[in-house]
Amino acid sequence: NAGVTQTPKFQVLKTGQSMTLQCAQDMNHEYMSWYRQDPGMGLRLIHYSVGAGITDQGEVPNGYNVSRSTTEDFPLRLLSAAPSQTSVYFCASSSPGGPDTGELFFGEGSRLTVL
Amino acid sequence: GQQLNQSPQSMFIQEGEDVSMNCTSSSIFNTWLWYKQDPGEGPVLLIALYKAGELTSNGRLTAQFGITRKDSFLNISASIPSDVGIYFCAGQAGGTSYGKLTFGQGTILTVHP
Repeated sequence: NAGVTQTPKFQVLKTGQSMTLQCAQDMNHEYMSWYRQDPGMGLRLIHYSVGAGITDQGEVPNGYNVSRSTTEDFPLRLLSAAPSQTSVYFCASSSPGGPDTGELFFGEGSRLTVL
Repeated sequence: GQQLNQSPQSMFIQEGEDVSMNCTSSSIFNTWLWYKQDPGEGPVLLIALYKAGELTSNGRLTAQFGITRKDSFLNISASIPSDVGIYFCAGQAGGTSYGKLTFGQGTILTVHP
């Protein structure tokens, strides 16, 4: 049962470098999203997608790009990393009940450090 | 944006004790959810609430959707060591907030055997 798979689990970048966090789900979920988790702040929505070819911004989208070319994959791109992007990133997809239920499945997270 | 205030921020309890945590919001939500996060893992859904006043149980866990739709609480009875983790409340406003959750800051629970 793979569920939501994120890679890499850990990454260290220098300021200004670019990278892509990968997210794949095998549950045929239409809805996928990216959150970042920072101490004392809970999880905050970065970008989300309601289906292939459709993406939209969440609460904290600046500095991040996304695309959704297939139902399964939803990569998150950092074009020019900044220390403020040091965080743990979680990808999530909706349950069969649909995103209206809020019942999201989360990946294990990707811990990013920007020096 | 919407804000959720979750309290307490942390709890240290003895095994067997009951635990209570709550969330309040400045705005209305159509759905309240409670998630648990184990170390090094992503959050996992514990309980989902869809109607104001709804009281729902899942084993030793009980959660309620406040009548005003601006608050929710989670109770854990007879805590055990595996209850350790971070508990998050989350709300979904509905309508144009399709699929978008607002999370509380989290409650870190430590259970001493």
